[in-house]
Amino acid sequence: SAVISQKPSRDICQRGTSLTIQCQVDSQVTMMFWYRQQPGQSLTLIATANQGSEATYESGFVIDKFPISRPNLTFSTLTVSNMSPEDSSIYLCSAGEPRAYEQYFGPGTRLTVT
Amino acid sequence: GIQVEQSPPDLILQEGANSTLRCNFSDSVNNLQWFHQNPWGQLINLFYIPSGTKQNGRLSATTVATERYSLLYISSSQTTDSGVYFCAVVGVDDYKLSFGAGTTVTVRA
Repeated sequence: SAVISQKPSRDICQRGTSLTIQCQVDSQVTMMFWYRQQPGQSLTLIATANQGSEATYESGFVIDKFPISRPNLTFSTLTVSNMSPEDSSIYLCSAGEPRAYEQYFGPGTRLTVT
Repeated sequence: GIQVEQSPPDLILQEGANSTLRCNFSDSVNNLQWFHQNPWGQLINLFYIPSGTKQNGRLSATTVATERYSLLYISSSQTTDSGVYFCAVVGVDDYKLSFGAGTTVTVRA
């Protein structure tokens, strides 16, 4: 099983600013993902972080708002740009192998935008 | 994409009671996972169970892939079992987890 850490664990930010969230996995993994969980809701996939190439974004999410980096097989960052109160959510990263294998999640970053 | 439906949406239990949570999915899957989200927001992996039956302490799960559903059983519930339980699947032609809406479980002492 993969052990995943995220930084920061929580933050309170002013609207119009940006926050970068880091995700570190304790072993090399093929796939890393970023999710958003709005208050009282389920998890929604933002994008798949691809090592060495641009992230693959889901419908409704764009690179300008949520730029993602993945410089190697154990690390990824998600930036939430030009934040508004609607961006207040828990952001979670996960890691796993294609198709049939178990995915593991980081502890999440609880973001509040004021 | 694949649809995932969980029932019931909310469940209130007295400590010591047993319960069953259900997950229906709309297509064949390669992966099915059950998670427990604790009050701090962390997702805890409970079961990786694309088919068959597994048990872990007071929790067990069964997936009947041919009928496209999975069940999570909680026996002798404790207050620490409170939280949101999510079912998530990966379709056979996909690699991304699709989550259900979750079941919120409240266990009262």
